[in-house]
Amino acid sequence: EAQVTQNPRYLITVTGKKLTVTCSQNMNHEYMSWYRQDPGLGLRQIYYSMNVEVTDKGDVPEGYKVSRKEKRNFPLILESPSPNQTSLYFCASSLRTGAEDTQYFGPGTRLTVL
Amino acid sequence: AQSVAQPEDQVNVAEGNPLTVKCTYSVSGNPYLFWYVQYPNRGLQFLLKYITGDNLVKGSYGFEAEFNKSQTSFHLKKPSALVSDSALYFCAVRRALSGYSTLTFGKGTMLLVSP
Repeated sequence: EAQVTQNPRYLITVTGKKLTVTCSQNMNHEYMSWYRQDPGLGLRQIYYSMNVEVTDKGDVPEGYKVSRKEKRNFPLILESPSPNQTSLYFCASSLRTGAEDTQYFGPGTRLTVL
Repeated sequence: AQSVAQPEDQVNVAEGNPLTVKCTYSVSGNPYLFWYVQYPNRGLQFLLKYITGDNLVKGSYGFEAEFNKSQTSFHLKKPSALVSDSALYFCAVRRALSGYSTLTFGKGTMLLVSP
């Protein structure tokens, strides 16, 4: 089944403890992206990747890192999480990087930072 | 900067009645427009998109949306609502380019369909 998977789905952690949220797609998509969803703010883009080893900042990149060493994987790294990073995170991918391409989303990761 | 406005936080409709979820946008040049739906504890699912051509776009689950360039709107519609349509709906816009452009989302509208 074609899909975007994320792990873990739920995570509770403490301030300052490094964590990684994994994202993987099995559709050979070029483009991948991370968003955070907060009530009343919709989805905001954190980082995106146009292809392997090509990443760029979105609207809210502070406090996050990403890497794209393989086409299928795009992990999101929080090196020193803070409570304001408590949010619902979504990974998305699309076949190509064009503006008309539809992005397909993973199931989400709910992160709580205490 | 581009933006999307979904003026209603919540829309209530009775099952069997038509529904409309409103969306207006602001973007430089021509837009590409998208609707997504989010069911509880699920990711976003793609419903439909407008790229070019016919202003009335048909999508999944009986939904459709009408692109109105003069009013910069892209309202989501369905002729007869189902209780199972209750979910959070997001409108999104991208600047129409041959290459990459940022996808900007609205804040979302909660649709509640009562039996």
